[in-house]
Amino acid sequence: DAKTTQPPSMDCAEGRAANLPCNHSTISGNEYVYWYRQIHSQGPQYIIHGLKNNETNEMASLIITEDRKSSTLILPHATLRDTAVYYCIVRPITQGGSEKLVFGKGMKLTVNP
Amino acid sequence: DAGVTQSPTHLIKTRGQQVTLRCSPKSGHDTVSWYQQALGQGPQFIFQYYEEEERQRGNFPDRFSGHQFPNYSSELNVNALLLGDSALYLCASNTGTSGRGGYEQYFGPGTRLTVT
Repeated sequence: DAKTTQPPSMDCAEGRAANLPCNHSTISGNEYVYWYRQIHSQGPQYIIHGLKNNETNEMASLIITEDRKSSTLILPHATLRDTAVYYCIVRPITQGGSEKLVFGKGMKLTVNP
Repeated sequence: DAGVTQSPTHLIKTRGQQVTLRCSPKSGHDTVSWYQQALGQGPQFIFQYYEEEERQRGNFPDRFSGHQFPNYSSELNVNALLLGDSALYLCASNTGTSGRGGYEQYFGPGTRLTVT
């Protein structure tokens, strides 16, 4: 079962920041927080991941609370192309990259013009 | 650099038939995972292949089997198809080495299987 909880859906205005919440209250010390998104009928796309420090890349920022029980994915300037289902996943890191991804139902973000 | 590719894009089969889906991993990747995604659900892990062997498996019956070739490409085989096997089948690849300790999986576009 997925170890994360996300709201089922969220709306955001184009050009505004989209803040996507995720709860992972049972996260372990060796588990990372990963975010993927899936645009309709395409394969999931990796966005970002982090352990305990905030992370930023060209797509998004990831803010993880100090107790690591929740996190927020931030899309700084949402566009219509960001409309997708977003998945928050916790995943242990092992040598060799053997760990599978356990997806929940995700959260549907709709960016409105 | 080609990403993960899958074939065919769409497939229609009849109950009881067998199907083979194919996947080529992203260049430089040696690990291939397969996922099943039913309509309205998140992807569910089927199994993972590394060094031509099944390394781990999800909660799927033995009707689901796979293979990995020396060039790291992979096949997913499903025997005795059921209506409930209708889904998007996703292939993902990754490498076992990463400087930041993360092993991001890169997904292909999927194969849409319809069982009638």
